Amino acid sequence: DAKTTQPPSMDCAEGRAANLPCNHSTISGNEYVYWYRQIHSQGPQYIIHGLKNNETNEMASLIITEDRKSSTLILPHATLRDTAVYYCIARAYNNNDMRFGAGTRLTVKP
Amino acid sequence: DVKVTQSSRYLVKRTGEKVFLECVQDMDHENMFWYRQDPGLGLRLIYFSYDVKMKEKGDIPEGYSVSREKKERFSLILESASTNQTSMYLCASTPLGYGRAWEQYFGPGTRLTVT
Repeated sequence: DAKTTQPPSMDCAEGRAANLPCNHSTISGNEYVYWYRQIHSQGPQYIIHGLKNNETNEMASLIITEDRKSSTLILPHATLRDTAVYYCIARAYNNNDMRFGAGTRLTVKP
Repeated sequence: DVKVTQSSRYLVKRTGEKVFLECVQDMDHENMFWYRQDPGLGLRLIYFSYDVKMKEKGDIPEGYSVSREKKERFSLILESASTNQTSMYLCASTPLGYGRAWEQYFGPGTRLTVT
């Protein structure tokens, strides 16, 4: 799996968009970008994933740069319940391994 | 609605004791994982298994071993517990298959304290 780099922490105002960056400059062609989040000490929750096209679901949007070396997870209207640690993972589709890094601690403030 | 269970939520052991952490999943998943979580370090993979009796080392296997005798059960063993193994331990399972990351299920975690 390609190494990913994320800022250790970010703040966001409630109701505003939260934009979480991830750098994966060594990503290979068969690796997808996955995002998870972990609230308190619960297990991580899957959010979204993509290969090269931008993706959107009911939770978030994922923007992947054209060169695929970085991506941004967007929470369009952050709420206090979005306060969590967010993990970005670059992983091949047929890789059954699952490794997380340190992630970004997002704090949504009222 | 039980999916992944862990034998204990809280555990206190003494240095040098042998410790068993048990994880059971009821979804017939092939893959099972053990992670530990420490403040500021995120989730670190200790071991994983993709089949009965199969195991693969993760990023931090030192001081740990695992056992997968049945598909539904994956045990983490601390042969001789040390204080630096005080941590939250999380078990997870996923089906075998291409990219089914959204089907990863985690247990509630075991907070182990070694004194």
